[in-house]
Amino acid sequence: AQTVTQSQPEMSVQEAETVTLSCTYDTSESNYYLFWYKQPPSRQMILVIRQEAYKQQNATENRFSVNFQKAAKSFSLKISDSQLGDTAMYFCAISGGATNKLIFGTGTLLAVQP
Amino acid sequence: GAVVSQHPSRVICKSGTSVKIECRSLDFQATTMFWYRQFPKKSLMLMATSNEGSKATYEQGVEKDKFLINHASLTLSTLTVTSAHPEDSSFYICSARDGGPLSYEQYFGPGTRLTVT
Repeated sequence: AQTVTQSQPEMSVQEAETVTLSCTYDTSESNYYLFWYKQPPSRQMILVIRQEAYKQQNATENRFSVNFQKAAKSFSLKISDSQLGDTAMYFCAISGGATNKLIFGTGTLLAVQP
Repeated sequence: GAVVSQHPSRVICKSGTSVKIECRSLDFQATTMFWYRQFPKKSLMLMATSNEGSKATYEQGVEKDKFLINHASLTLSTLTVTSAHPEDSSFYICSARDGGPLSYEQYFGPGTRLTVT
């Protein structure tokens, strides 16, 4: 079974500052993928960034980057130059195995303050 | 990019009636679709995996006779909540996978808010 843990229910950051959201996971699969999804108030799920577990290099997408520590089973998301539009619920997720189902963490509600 | 639609976006129904939610992949063929349920300020809970042309696979604890899933074509899956009760009120989200089982990308619909009175 795969599990994802997000230990920060809520976080707040000032506009233009940097914030890091934590995520740890557990899996017995050798090949898996890790994701960060954003869910704004509209509730549309938006893929922020993904990481293939076999890649050592941390994924980066513009202001978003991850710190992937495979041995520690840690997958944190760093948001640089935070913007008001980044205010949302952020979910960490893992997929892998025969079915490739997505398993989500409990989420972190991020508020960007002006 | 791949687009997934859901219809309706909001539905209110009376207790004891059934309601159908459609999930469509608009610009790609989806052999697999997933149905999730989300309570307010909570995470997405996978209900079932819908495979085109075969029976859906339900997660443990999900009543398959209550939540009927049909995936009749490569672009359409439906979720029917039968004999709905107020506790079935929730936000239902579908996603579709482009490609075979080894494909990891899922594209999400905008969700359907169900209210049972």
